[in-house]
Amino acid sequence: GAGVSQSPSNKVTEKGKDVELRCDPISGHTALYWYRQSLGQGLEFLIYFQGNSAPDKSGLPSDRFSAERTGGSVSTLTIQRTQQEDSAVYLCASSPGQVSNQPQHFGDGTRLSIL
Amino acid sequence: AQRVTQPEKLLSVFKGAPVELKCNYSYSGSPELFWYVQYSRQRLQLLLRHISRESIKGFTADLNKGETSFHLKKPFAQEEDSAMYYCALRGVTGGGNKLTFGTGTQLKVEL
Repeated sequence: GAGVSQSPSNKVTEKGKDVELRCDPISGHTALYWYRQSLGQGLEFLIYFQGNSAPDKSGLPSDRFSAERTGGSVSTLTIQRTQQEDSAVYLCASSPGQVSNQPQHFGDGTRLSIL
Repeated sequence: AQRVTQPEKLLSVFKGAPVELKCNYSYSGSPELFWYVQYSRQRLQLLLRHISRESIKGFTADLNKGETSFHLKKPFAQEEDSAMYYCALRGVTGGGNKLTFGTGTQLKVEL
């Protein structure tokens, strides 16, 4: 597609359930990023992929959060045993690669609500 | 550590008035600064970045290393400028590729 695609666009789940969020980056973009935007907060970095490896996962808030990327393309962010504080908009972004000055292109996000 | 501060949550101006959205940063190395904008019901998109030194939609921003600021300016606000604006920093030296964002400023341009 022409842009970064994220699914689902909205997800409502009960506390304690696991959720998977998906990101399809722009074709050919080797760098992929996950961010989280909580109510009243700015965007918070979670994890960065270059290809299939994650050189920076410093933003993952707890071991309940994990992410993987396969084939240098699609990425999945998994949250286990969800808590109410996990409610947020989860944004994915991609950029062309290791050239540092390339801007990041964002998807529409997944709005996650934990009941 | 990297930090970006946008002191105003909401900025309301009249159409045709000048606009200045403030952004200050904290970073010990050489930063790269960006402004991103999110219009109503649209995705976050890049507005401009300091290395390009360009004007987009009439907006400009100058990196002031002495004041550690990257304020966004436009001489005459238009109604279509109403949106959420985020300042972001990427640490070029040792900061990796992640962006650190401010909390955003909601710009409202009134008629």
